[in-house]
Amino acid sequence: EVQLVESGGGLVQPGGSLRLSCAASGFTFSSYEMNWVRQAPGKGLEWVSYISSSGSTIYYADSVKGRFTISRDNAKNSLYLQMNSLRAEDTAVYYCARALRVTGNDYYYYYYMDVWGKGTTVTVSS
Amino acid sequence: AIRITQSPSSLSASTGDRVTITCRASQGISSYLAWYQQKPGKAPKLLIYAASTLQSGVPSRFSGSGSGTDFTLTISCLQSEDFATYYCQQYYSYPPWTFGQGTKVEIK
Repeated sequence: EVQLVESGGGLVQPGGSLRLSCAASGFTFSSYEMNWVRQAPGKGLEWVSYISSSGSTIYYADSVKGRFTISRDNAKNSLYLQMNSLRAEDTAVYYCARALRVTGNDYYYYYYMDVWGKGTTVTVSS
Repeated sequence: AIRITQSPSSLSASTGDRVTITCRASQGISSYLAWYQQKPGKAPKLLIYAASTLQSGVPSRFSGSGSGTDFTLTISCLQSEDFATYYCQQYYSYPPWTFGQGTKVEIK
């Protein structure tokens, strides 16, 4: 069974740090790109960060650029999100999501999110 | 960034009803649109990708259509387990990947 399990969430003070983990199983983790997506309480979904299968290509949402760092360890089938300088507006459920790659007629790659973990809750508050 | 406008933000319907949700992209995205279902306290679940392709295991009462800027998710005969929030997402232009604001389908 394909599965993603997030961990590492919790309560942290503004300005603090937290490291989220996502453990993958049931598929060849090293062959897939991965994402972090978050959802603030009562709000919609917001893409946070992307990492390619090898880790060589990384993207961030403007809202977290310079504060968050995505990484992966393919030997451990794990994805990470290091979150520094946390703000109240970072309070959310954080999901890891597998990216499925499709090749368009223009030979570009396009990615949608086909498998999601159950999420881990991050609360930034004093 | 491509903006996705989803409507309505909520709707009330009865079991057996036909329900339609729309998404409009701020620029053409070909057919690079996905639909997700999210139930309270749960992770999003992929329903449809490539605007109209049903993900494996998703009931055939769900269907998607559209290309370019205008897209539709239709539930042909609403079931009790379909009461949830639905999101569309474009994956044509990235980063960022962008979502619609969501549509909450409630029981009338």
